[in-house]
Amino acid sequence: QSVLTQPPSASEPPGQRVTISCSGSSSNIGSNTVNWYQQLPGTAPKLLIYNNNQRPSGVPDRFSGSKSGTSASLAISGLQSEDEADYYCAAWDDSLDGWVFGGGTKLTVL
Amino acid sequence: EVQLVESGGGLVKPGGSLRLSCAASGFTFSSHSMNWVRQAPGKGLEWVSSTSSSSRYIYYADSVKGRFTISRDNAKDSLHLQMNSLRAEDTAVYYCARDSYDLLSGTITMDVWGQGTTVIVSS
Repeated sequence: QSVLTQPPSASEPPGQRVTISCSGSSSNIGSNTVNWYQQLPGTAPKLLIYNNNQRPSGVPDRFSGSKSGTSASLAISGLQSEDEADYYCAAWDDSLDGWVFGGGTKLTVL
Repeated sequence: EVQLVESGGGLVKPGGSLRLSCAASGFTFSSHSMNWVRQAPGKGLEWVSSTSSSSRYIYYADSVKGRFTISRDNAKDSLHLQMNSLRAEDTAVYYCARDSYDLLSGTITMDVWGQGTTVIVSS
């Protein structure tokens, strides 16, 4: 049971837009910023969004993040086949004194 | 190039011990907090432990508290995880990950990850 709650799966056709939600509490998302990671099959996670809505250099602007209260979301527009991956949200939890992750969302580009 | 390379994984019997290492390069290791994160087969990411840059602050997930010990050697740019009393449920890929602190926003990001090392606990 993950501390942050994500839908287990999402799917959309190529070219469309998908949004992945991440729900937490006052001790994690409500108090700290949210990061999003992309994990392609068989590889290590890669930072996709940090500080709620910032993209590291090299991440296309098709990826965007937002946060409101104790929830956050990742949006991917203009879906491409190479976007098929697992996506995880994460935040520091002040009560647990550690990082907490969502359970991950498997994105399928139909 | 900023890089983290884990090593030390392997097959160990329940109750056994293993020491993981993470070699850092391409950045000032002593300026960053570091983490271990694991991923059981077919499962999601689970944070295991963190250490501040000077080792002053150390945190553990409840699932490993009392069994695992995180340490670092800033002179050798290396991070370690001593794992004792291993259980089947500790079977996972273990990733080393760097924290970066943004002075302007006061926020922390786990921004660089290694490729992982696999630990299998089985008799």
